[in-house]
Amino acid sequence: EDKVVQSPLSLVVHEGDTVTLNCSYEVTNFRSLLWYKQEKKAPTFLFMLTSSGIEKKSGRLSSILDKKELFSILNITATQTGDSAVYLCAVAGGTSYGKLTFGQGTILTVHP
Amino acid sequence: DGGITQSPKYLFRKEGQNVTLSCEQNLNHDAMYWYRQDPGQGLRLIYYSQIVNDFQKGDIAEGYSVSREKKESFPLTVTSAQKNPTAFYLCASSRRTGENYNEQFFGPGTRLTVL
Repeated sequence: EDKVVQSPLSLVVHEGDTVTLNCSYEVTNFRSLLWYKQEKKAPTFLFMLTSSGIEKKSGRLSSILDKKELFSILNITATQTGDSAVYLCAVAGGTSYGKLTFGQGTILTVHP
Repeated sequence: DGGITQSPKYLFRKEGQNVTLSCEQNLNHDAMYWYRQDPGQGLRLIYYSQIVNDFQKGDIAEGYSVSREKKESFPLTVTSAQKNPTAFYLCASSRRTGENYNEQFFGPGTRLTVL
């Protein structure tokens, strides 16, 4: 059975801090790993990673994948209160294209 | 203005009733998905459809049914057989070409409460 585990489950920081969110996975026939941000309702897409060692970056957010050790990290530097959200990691794999397996999510709270 | 719409936003149901959640997309995506989200948990796949008139069960399909008669629409029926239907339901869609297949776009969700 495919499995995606995120850690920590929740995190409280102050504005300006740097945070690292973790995602480990066990998936047959791995195709890609995705990060989403969920504030109140619809998750919004952040990154899709398919190759090891290549960092994806968007502003203060960056992510990298290690396919040998089966994990990914999402870094957020200089956090702001607007970064408060649930961050979801999902992995595409298995025999059915399009099927994603999600982790439990990390709840990030950024205090002013 | 392309996107995914779900209705209603909130839905209350009495035990023993079937309800249908609507999901419509105008992104011209072939694939559509239904997920369920419970507090403290990630998203769990209920059903998905890669093309019109075809759909597959996800990990938690029991007590749910779907149809895919049109490319734009993928309604989900929560039947009385679903033992614990109170949850947040999310619909998503994606293209079917190469890596784009995995990048799913989500609707705003429907919160279903069984009274």
